[in-house]
Amino acid sequence: DGGITQSPKYLFRKEGQNVTLSCEQNLNHDAMYWYRQDPGQGLRLIYYSQIVNDFQKGDIAEGYSVSREKKESFPLTVTSAQKNPTAFYLCASKSGHGAYEQYFGPGTRLTVT
Amino acid sequence: LAKTTQPISMDSYEGQEVNITCSHNNIATNDYITWYQQFPSQGPRFIIQGYKTKVTNEVASLFIPADRKSSTLSLPRVSLSDTAVYYCLITGGGNKLTFGTGTQLKVEL
Repeated sequence: DGGITQSPKYLFRKEGQNVTLSCEQNLNHDAMYWYRQDPGQGLRLIYYSQIVNDFQKGDIAEGYSVSREKKESFPLTVTSAQKNPTAFYLCASKSGHGAYEQYFGPGTRLTVT
Repeated sequence: LAKTTQPISMDSYEGQEVNITCSHNNIATNDYITWYQQFPSQGPRFIIQGYKTKVTNEVASLFIPADRKSSTLSLPRVSLSDTAVYYCLITGGGNKLTFGTGTQLKVEL
C-alpha cells in the first residue's frame, strides 16, 4: 500500500525543546517537501529536497532543519529558535521534475507550550 | 510564480453545480493551472490540472479561457462530502508549489 506516512499525528512539547517530525514515503519519489499550515491559512513551504543529500530552503525556513540521507525519508526538526512552532505540519512528495502532482501525508499537529 | 485570487468562501446545496473561479493575470507561457482539495486536519489532495480549454476527470472539470488569465473549477452535483477548502495554484517548471488561502466551500442539505 503506497503512500506517505507522518508520525506522530499529535505531538506536544515544552518551549525550548527541539522536536523531530517523521516523514516516510514508499512511492519512490525523488522530491519531498515540508509545509506548515496555521489556522485558516494556506500552506507555506519550509524546506524541500529534490534528491538525496540535497535540500533547499523554502519561504519560512528559519528555526527549522532537515536532512535527506535516504530517498524514503525526510525528517523535519523544529528547533527552539522557531518563535511560533505550534502549527499543522504537512509532508509531501513528487515523482520528479515536470510532474506537478504532490502527494501529501496525513500531517502532524505540533503544540508547544 | 503568478499570484492567484479566488473567493474566500462559497455556499451551495447538495445536488447543485459549483463553479469556483480563480484569477491569475500574470500566468506565464509554461505555467499550468492546478487545483487541490483539503479537508480539515488532512493534507491537500490533487483534483485536476490543465493548460488551456477544458479538462475533465471523474470528479471535476476545469475551464480555461484562451487568454489563460483565469480558470474555473466546476464540481457537478456537489454533496455534503465536498465541503472543503479548494486551492488554485499556478505550477511552473520548478518544484515549488505556492498555496494561497483557498476557497472554503460549504455544502448544505
